Amino acid sequence: NAGVMQNPRHLVRRRGQEARLRCSPMKGHSHVYWYRQLPEEGLKFMVYLQKENIIDESGMPKERFSAEFPKEGPSILRIQQVVRGDSAAYFCASSPATGGVSTEAFFGQGTRLTVV
Amino acid sequence: SQQGEEDPQALSIQEGENATMNCSYKTSINNLQWYRQNSGRGLVHLILIRSNEREKHSGRLRVTLDTSKKSSSLLITASRAADTASYFCATPLYNQGGKLIFGQGTELSVKP
Repeated sequence: NAGVMQNPRHLVRRRGQEARLRCSPMKGHSHVYWYRQLPEEGLKFMVYLQKENIIDESGMPKERFSAEFPKEGPSILRIQQVVRGDSAAYFCASSPATGGVSTEAFFGQGTRLTVV
Repeated sequence: SQQGEEDPQALSIQEGENATMNCSYKTSINNLQWYRQNSGRGLVHLILIRSNEREKHSGRLRVTLDTSKKSSSLLITASRAADTASYFCATPLYNQGGKLIFGQGTELSVKP
């Protein structure tokens, strides 16, 4: 059972370009979460998705950022018109459908975005 | 504001010594989780302790939880150089396993 797969591992974009980050959850997991980690900081929650639904996007910047988790295929975090401040590591996590007390999230290796 | 706050922010010890990291949180929780992150890598889940548990062990790891003080500690015994990493505590919100609130982390350095 493969873990959470993120690609690319490293992404370099010039200011103003678009960045697309992909996340394939673990097999059998229908909940996907995106986090951002700025240098020297902890992870900050961005968005929580289930298939074809955004459940909670309270951590997403209001502009330029969007996320989707289509019926088929990976979850995509899209950043339009990137700026230097978007440079960070972006992590995806997945968990199974049941949200019980001991539900554990499994993290991918992250995508490190560098905006030049 | 952060739900979890780790203490200390950085810790440097010699191989073989024990390392203790603390975490405080603000709201009621169902469980608390500890993660490890090696430099430039992803997060590895270490241990989950439920709110009705007081102590849990996993290999050289020992986690305690004091819900009355809203705090948890992670003890790594007989540390190794390979334990060098950042350690984060995290708590889920609204019983959603994956929506976690992370602390700032403790950076542990174990010198051989």
